[in-house]
Amino acid sequence: KAGVTQTPRYLIKTRGQQVTLSCSPISGHRSVSWYQQTPGQGLQFLFEYFSETQRNKGNFPGRFSGRQFSNSRSEMNVSTLELGDSALYLCASSFSPGTDQNTFGSGTRLTVV
Amino acid sequence: AQSVTQLGSHVSVSEGALVLLRCNYSSSVPPYLFWYVQYPNQGLQLLLKYTTGATLVKGINGFEAEFKKSETSFHLTKPSAHMSDAAEYFCAVSDREGGSQGNLIFGKGTKLSVKP
Repeated sequence: KAGVTQTPRYLIKTRGQQVTLSCSPISGHRSVSWYQQTPGQGLQFLFEYFSETQRNKGNFPGRFSGRQFSNSRSEMNVSTLELGDSALYLCASSFSPGTDQNTFGSGTRLTVV
Repeated sequence: AQSVTQLGSHVSVSEGALVLLRCNYSSSVPPYLFWYVQYPNQGLQLLLKYTTGATLVKGINGFEAEFKKSETSFHLTKPSAHMSDAAEYFCAVSDREGGSQGNLIFGKGTKLSVKP
């Protein structure tokens, strides 16, 4: 069966712009989490969604937001991009929070210039 | 607050040699611990996890890890390294009871190189 699909795979944006990243979970999975990966800070939790509700949020500024749709697909948005937002953004899905079968996508590589 | 420390950002072993990647954690509640592997330009793949029960956990690709509460450690081992094991490895602890991986705290990662 298809894995977690993240689109686009690569993205280049200019400082000050906004960006939207998409994550389609594995069929049947209703929980989606987002992580940011940078060389300096490593892997950091952004948010977790389940049944269209944000259940948990990491320590990121309000420029980072997300949502989940009724089909469990999720998007994250970053407004007013900064150079430091350049990162690999990873999405993971599972049947529900509290399960231990999380599957990660290949990520979206965002470069801010 | 929970935290994870991975000792050694780079580890190099010869093919066929023992692989030992170190992970120590800090947690005020019984932890749920995970090891992930990441190949270049790819996402994370779960190698193994400890939630409850047996402290020696076996994972995929011949890896295993032992949860040692007294040492607050969860080191990853593999008896014999293969060239295909070259990747970056991340130790993580769950920040929520129930073992939800929705909020994982990751270590900084260890890059494993395997020499022929």
